[in-house]
Amino acid sequence: QVQLVQSGAEVKKPGSSVKVSCKASGGTFSSYAISWVRQAPGQGLEWMGGIIPIFGTANYAQKFQGRVTITADESTSTAYMELSSLRSEDTAVYYCARAHDYGHDLDAFDIWGQGTMVTVSS
Amino acid sequence: EIVLTQSPGTLSLSPGERATLSCRASQSVSSSYLAWYQQKPGQAPRLLIYGASSRATGIPDRFSGSGSGTDFTLTISRLEPEDFAVYYCQQYGSSPQTFGPGTKVDIK
Repeated sequence: QVQLVQSGAEVKKPGSSVKVSCKASGGTFSSYAISWVRQAPGQGLEWMGGIIPIFGTANYAQKFQGRVTITADESTSTAYMELSSLRSEDTAVYYCARAHDYGHDLDAFDIWGQGTMVTVSS
Repeated sequence: EIVLTQSPGTLSLSPGERATLSCRASQSVSSSYLAWYQQKPGQAPRLLIYGASSRATGIPDRFSGSGSGTDFTLTISRLEPEDFAVYYCQQYGSSPQTFGPGTKVDIK
């Protein structure tokens, strides 16, 4: 069974960038889309974008266009999400999540990472 | 962007009761690409239902999904103690994928 393990919590200054990793183990990585979903404290879920590693091209929510970069390294089965120009409103738990079916960039998410808390504070 | 509205915001019920959660979309969801998730405090969401009515692997049959177009429903036939949580719907028929604001099911 595939597991997604994310990097640890981060504390960042406003205006800086953060890069979160998501390493897959135990199954196929390249053919399934990996998305990033964030959740601000006490709030709902927000899709940021995703990538199918074998294709290499990321798809972003317009809200985050120009500020987020999602990449994947097939050799290490790891996906990355980098968010720049951080502001306090970016304080949230960031999840990576795998698509339910292979080859679909839009899909339900059946496997989730444990989440990475990113705190933006001066 | 498709906006999802969930109702009620909070549902207070007792174990053994039936829960009916609603998710309404601002426009038709393509091919019934609608999913439901359960989330407990401090945990990642768990996929319950995809394709509006298909149960994910390992999900008990007391969870069922229905609906099409703009109106979808998640039903929990008999609430177990572990079912008290927040439930989100998600549409993945068009980009950006969007989530509803959630329905909290708490113990009456």
